[in-house]
Amino acid sequence: DVKVTQSSRYLVKRTGEKVFLECVQDMDHENMFWYRQDPGLGLRLIYFSYDVKMKEKGDIPEGYSVSREKKERFSLILESASTNQTSMYLCASSLLSGGYEQYFGPGTRLTVT
Amino acid sequence: SQKIEQNSEALNIQEGKTATLTCNYTNYSPAYLQWYRQDPGRGPVFLLLIRENEKEKRKERLKVTFDTTLKQSLFHITASQPADSATYLCALVVSGTYKYIFGTGTRLKVLA
Repeated sequence: DVKVTQSSRYLVKRTGEKVFLECVQDMDHENMFWYRQDPGLGLRLIYFSYDVKMKEKGDIPEGYSVSREKKERFSLILESASTNQTSMYLCASSLLSGGYEQYFGPGTRLTVT
Repeated sequence: SQKIEQNSEALNIQEGKTATLTCNYTNYSPAYLQWYRQDPGRGPVFLLLIRENEKEKRKERLKVTFDTTLKQSLFHITASQPADSATYLCALVVSGTYKYIFGTGTRLKVLA
């Protein structure tokens, strides 16, 4: 079974802090994604990576950056956390592009105070 | 503008009945449409995929239809059980892109 793990289930940070969210997948998938999920807004794509060191902006990249130094690991960075970044963050991976199913991690609920 | 819509109101049905969930979209040309299940506090789990040239797909008690003329997908759970209670998300994969566009989900509650 594909397993996608995220470094924390719950995180509380202060405004202005730099925040790192880590995601690891164990099935050699090419693609990895970061989403945030908010009530009434659904899942929104922040960033996508289709290969090591390769990334593409999603729909809401402002205030975020990503890093993919190894194939199995995709990190989301909040450069200076703000209260409007309080959300559920979900990492996902898929084998390839073209409709392959996504495998999601359990999510990190981030609260910025 | 581009939109994907699912019924935001919760759907309550009696155990044993068929649950039908709707996913409508506008201004997309999806190559694939997927359905996911999400339980509270957990990540979505993939259920079914249907391609643009397919009308219907089945997997055990699940059935998905895809009508590209109506721009609609229907997701059916037959012989529903309380364990089927969850939020169900549809996702479009747009032709020629990597993007997965998710709906906001419909919460299903199956009453014993």
